Amino acid sequence: QSVLTQPPSASGTPGQRVTISCSGSYSNIGSNTVNWYQQLPGTAPKLLIYSSDQRPSGVPDRFSGSQSGSSASLAISGLQSEDEADYYCASWDDSLNGPVFGTGTKVTVL
Amino acid sequence: QVQLVQSGAEVKKPGASVKVSCKTSGYTFTVYYIHWVRQAPGQGLEWLGWFNPNTGSTNSAPKFQGRVTMTRATSISTAYMEFTRLRSDDTAVYYCARSMSYFGGFDYWGQGTLVTVYS
Repeated sequence: QSVLTQPPSASGTPGQRVTISCSGSYSNIGSNTVNWYQQLPGTAPKLLIYSSDQRPSGVPDRFSGSQSGSSASLAISGLQSEDEADYYCASWDDSLNGPVFGTGTKVTVL
Repeated sequence: QVQLVQSGAEVKKPGASVKVSCKTSGYTFTVYYIHWVRQAPGQGLEWLGWFNPNTGSTNSAPKFQGRVTMTRATSISTAYMEFTRLRSDDTAVYYCARSMSYFGGFDYWGQGTLVTVYS
């Protein structure tokens, strides 16, 4: 069961900027940082952003994250065809004592 | 290089149990937490629980408490997740993933293990 709400889909043409929102509550995003994962078809998720706005080594700087209150967002600038994937946000939930995931957003490159 | 390699696909009947292994390499096994996450066909990600390989402490999501058991074999740097009383809606790909802290991001994932439950 997903506790964090994301739009089901987002799209853009190559080179455009796409933003994905992630809405939670006080017990998760409102009190903790957010991680973002990219899942290419048929593969395991990959950590894209951690601690709301940090990129692991090797992740292009086209990807950026931000957080405000109980919401967070992921931006992809200079959209490329290889960015076509599912994206999930996640945040620790103090009530669950575990992480909760977003509903997922499918990004399509037109 | 860091690797988490999971055991192969399983087919089980309703009511049975399954045990998935996650063999790690390329880092000190006891330093990182192991989480288990599943993904039903065409669905999103669902967290099952975390396991501390150093202390053996665990915590599972309320939905799975009593059905999920997480253990380890430190000598071979391997974590295990046993899931009991399987139902058809437990059919999913089960992933292991590591994090530096129990609340941190999952920086490396296993390749996933498909567990199919049907009669």
